[in-house]
Amino acid sequence: AQSVTQLDSQVPVFEEAPVELRCNYSSSVSVYLFWYVQYPNQGLQLLLKYLSGSTLVKGINGFEAEFNKSQTSFHLRKPSVHISDTAEYFCAVIELSGGYNKLIFGAGTRLAVHP
Amino acid sequence: SQTIHQWPATLVQPVGSPLSLECTVEGTSNPNLYWYRQAAGRGLQLLFYSVGIGQISSEVPQNLSASRPQDRQFILSSKKLLLSDSGFYLCAWSGDYSTDTQYFGPGTRLTVL
Repeated sequence: AQSVTQLDSQVPVFEEAPVELRCNYSSSVSVYLFWYVQYPNQGLQLLLKYLSGSTLVKGINGFEAEFNKSQTSFHLRKPSVHISDTAEYFCAVIELSGGYNKLIFGAGTRLAVHP
Repeated sequence: SQTIHQWPATLVQPVGSPLSLECTVEGTSNPNLYWYRQAAGRGLQLLFYSVGIGQISSEVPQNLSASRPQDRQFILSSKKLLLSDSGFYLCAWSGDYSTDTQYFGPGTRLTVL
C-alpha cells in the first residue's frame, strides 16, 4: 500500500536562504507525484507535478523538485526563499495500479521564513 | 479557464444541527469531484469522491453524506453535526481519469460548538 512521509513537520529558515522540504513515498508500482502549497485559511495550490520524463521538475514561485526513483523521494527545493513563501507544503502521490487511483497526501511541512 | 467555488467560506454551527456545504465547478464538464477534510494540524483526509451525477463513493464511515445533483455541483451534508466534524473542508475537481491532477477550491472553515 502506498504512503507518503514528509520528514519534517516544521522548517524554519531565514529570508534569502535555500530550503529543501523532504518527501519520501512507498510504492511498488509507478507513481505520479505532486507538491501543493497552502497559505493560511486558503485552499491548496498546485506547485508542480511529476508525471513522466525529466526527473527535475520546475514549478511556480521558483520552486523545483527532483524525482529519485531509487530512493523513492521527491524533495522540493528553492534556492532563495522569501517571506511570502511562509505556508504549509504538502507532498502527494497517485499510484498507477489500475482501477480507481486515489491521491494520497503527506502530513505536511510548515515552512516559516524569518527576516 | 476552470474555476471552483465553495460556500460558505466560514460556518459556526451548534452540535446536532444540520449541515450543507456546496461546491461548484465552472469551465469543464464531467469532472471528478472530491471532498476532503483537514483537521487542525493534520493532513488531508478524503471523505467522498464522485465520477458522475448521482455516483458517490465514501472513503470514511461517518455521519456525513455527499450528493451530486448536477454535473458540476457537489454537496456535503449532515443531519446532525458532532464536535468532531469541526475542520477545514476542501472540494477539488479533476479530469475524468483518476490519475488526473486535482485542483482545489478555497475551502470552508466549519466550527461546531
